Amino acid sequence: SQELEQSPQSLIVQEGKNLTINCTSSKTLYGLYWYKQKYGEGLIFLMMLQKGGEEKSHEKITAKLDEKKQQSSLHITASQPSHAGIYLCGADVLQSGGYQKVTFGTGTKLQVIP
Amino acid sequence: DTEVTQTPKHLVMGMTNKKSLKCEQHMGHRAMYWYKQKAKKPPELMFVYSYEKLSINESVPSRFSPECPNSSLLNLHLHALQPEDSALYLCASSRTPGGAGRKFFGPGTRLTVL
Repeated sequence: SQELEQSPQSLIVQEGKNLTINCTSSKTLYGLYWYKQKYGEGLIFLMMLQKGGEEKSHEKITAKLDEKKQQSSLHITASQPSHAGIYLCGADVLQSGGYQKVTFGTGTKLQVIP
Repeated sequence: DTEVTQTPKHLVMGMTNKKSLKCEQHMGHRAMYWYKQKAKKPPELMFVYSYEKLSINESVPSRFSPECPNSSLLNLHLHALQPEDSALYLCASSRTPGGAGRKFFGPGTRLTVL
C-alpha cells in the first residue's frame, strides 16, 4: 500500500519566518493534495498538484511536486499566526476495484509564535 | 455555494442510543464520503456514495449505517456504538465519482460515546 510520510511532525516558528513541510511517497503520486485543519474542524483545501514539476501559489503558500512525482513540499513565506494548524498531504491511490481513494499523510502541526 | 454543512456540530450519546449525523451539499457533486478521524490521526475513509448509491464500504461495523436520500444529502445512522467510536466524523463531496479530484470537506461532527 502507498504511504505518505510527512516531515516534520511538528514545527514552531516565529512570526515572519519562512518554513517548509515535506510529503514523501514510496510510489508515484497521481493527484497530490494539501489541506489545512484547525483542531476539531474540517479540512480546508489549499492546493492540488498533478504534473511533475508543477508549482502552485496562493497568497503566501507555495506547493511543489517534484519531477519524479514522489515528493511534494509546502512552503509558507513570512508566516503569520493565522497559518497555525495541522497541514495534511493526501494522494489519490488506485484501488483494486478501479476506484481512487485518498491516502493522507500523518500531518504536520504548525505553531506560529507572535 | 461551495460548502458542505454538517449537523450536529457536537453529539454525546450512550451506547444504547440511536442517533444520526447529517451532511448536505448544494454544489451538484455526485460523490459523497464519510470519514472518521481519531485524535492526532489523519482522516480514514468509511463510506463512499456515487450517484446516490453506496459504492465503497471500508469494512465499517454495521453499527454505522449510511444513507443517501438524494444527491444533496448524506446521513450516517448510529446505533449501539462503543466508546472507541468517539471521534470527529467528516463528510466530504467531490464533483465526480471515481474518487479522484478535490474533495470538499464539512466542518465535522464531534461524537462522544459514553
